[in-house]
Amino acid sequence: EDKVVQSPLSLVVHEGDTVTLNCSYEVTNFRSLLWYKQEKKAPTFLFMLTSSGIEKKSGRLSSILDKKELSSILNITATQTGDSAIYLCAVTRSQGAQKLVFGQGTRLTINP
Amino acid sequence: KAGVTQTPRYLIKTRGQQVTLSCSPISGHRSVSWYQQTPGQGLQFLFEYFSETQRNKGNFPGRFSGRQFSNSRSEMNVSTLELGDSALYLCASSTDRARRVNTEAFFGQGTRLTVV
Repeated sequence: EDKVVQSPLSLVVHEGDTVTLNCSYEVTNFRSLLWYKQEKKAPTFLFMLTSSGIEKKSGRLSSILDKKELSSILNITATQTGDSAIYLCAVTRSQGAQKLVFGQGTRLTINP
Repeated sequence: KAGVTQTPRYLIKTRGQQVTLSCSPISGHRSVSWYQQTPGQGLQFLFEYFSETQRNKGNFPGRFSGRQFSNSRSEMNVSTLELGDSALYLCASSTDRARRVNTEAFFGQGTRLTVV
């Protein structure tokens, strides 16, 4: 059975700190790994990593896929209070259409 | 471009009733997936529809069903509601133009269902 594990489950830091969120996975016929940010209801898309795109960056956020270690990290530098959210990691298979298998999420709290 | 639209936003139902939730995908998106989110289980896949056909199904009882219309809009139905069905139900759409192409899924705001 496909499995995605995120760590830590909860993290509290001060504004300006840098944080690293972890995601490890076990999936048959891995296709892609996606990161989402969920503040209230709708998870919003951050990055998609695949065999052909193992590193992505957007502003203060960046993510790397390690296919050998079956894991990914999401880095956020110079954190702001608006970064407070639940960060979700999900994987897809080559077969299985658009089924996303999610981890439990990391609840990130940025204190001013 | 309008995002994924889910209706209603909130619902309160009593045990034993049935409920229908609606999802309108982003224009041009043909794949619609449904997820259940609860504090204990996190986000879990229910099913996915593409071109009016269910392509994939998660591990939920038969009380959970869905369908997709020719305009790609999708509905999800839960019959004989149980207290444990209280959750946030999220819909996601994607283009999925070709199986070989990796496409990200975009989520709607969700429907918060409370069963009392």
